[in-house]
Amino acid sequence: NAGVMQNPRHLVRRRGQEARLRCSPMKGHSHVYWYRQLPEEGLKFMVYLQKENIIDESGMPKERFSAEFPKEGPSILRIQQVVRGDSAAYFCASSPATSRVNTEAFFGQGTRLTVV
Amino acid sequence: AQSVTQLDSHVSVSEGTPVLLRCNYSSSYSPSLFWYVQHPNKGLQLLLKYTSAATLVKGINGFEAEFKKSETSFHLTKPSAHMSDAAEYFCVVSGSPSGGYNKLIFGAGTRLAVHP
Repeated sequence: NAGVMQNPRHLVRRRGQEARLRCSPMKGHSHVYWYRQLPEEGLKFMVYLQKENIIDESGMPKERFSAEFPKEGPSILRIQQVVRGDSAAYFCASSPATSRVNTEAFFGQGTRLTVV
Repeated sequence: AQSVTQLDSHVSVSEGTPVLLRCNYSSSYSPSLFWYVQHPNKGLQLLLKYTSAATLVKGINGFEAEFKKSETSFHLTKPSAHMSDAAEYFCVVSGSPSGGYNKLIFGAGTRLAVHP
């Protein structure tokens, strides 16, 4: 059973371009979470999705950022018109449920976005 | 609101000596607490979790943590440090009243260095 797969691992974009980050959850997991880690900081929650639904996007910036988790295929975090401040590591996690009992959220290795 | 404070940004120990990484939390309801470890350029791995069962929680790689409600603390300990323990450690509280993995709230992290 492969773990949470994120790609690409490293992404370089020029200011104003679009960045698309992909996350394939573990097999059997229907809950996906995206977090952002700025340099020298902890992870900050961005968005929580289930298949075809955004459950909680309270951590998403109001503009330029969007996320989806379609019925088929990976979850996508999309950043339009990137700026230097978007440079960070973006982590995806997945779980089979949100219950705290006997479940665990597994994290991917992250995508490191650099905006030049 | 939920929050965690990791009291030390850097901890340095000698191999074979005890490790103590300190964490205080704030929660308006019964919290679920976690410790995650992040090795350089890797994803996050769950070390252990507290979910209102036993207050002394044992995790992987010899780590354990004790939940102390009176002190609102959840310190991470290990009797004897190994070189491979050098990493970033995050204390995490669930932002959900159900204690689930959606909207995890991370501390700023403690970087553990282990010297020969």
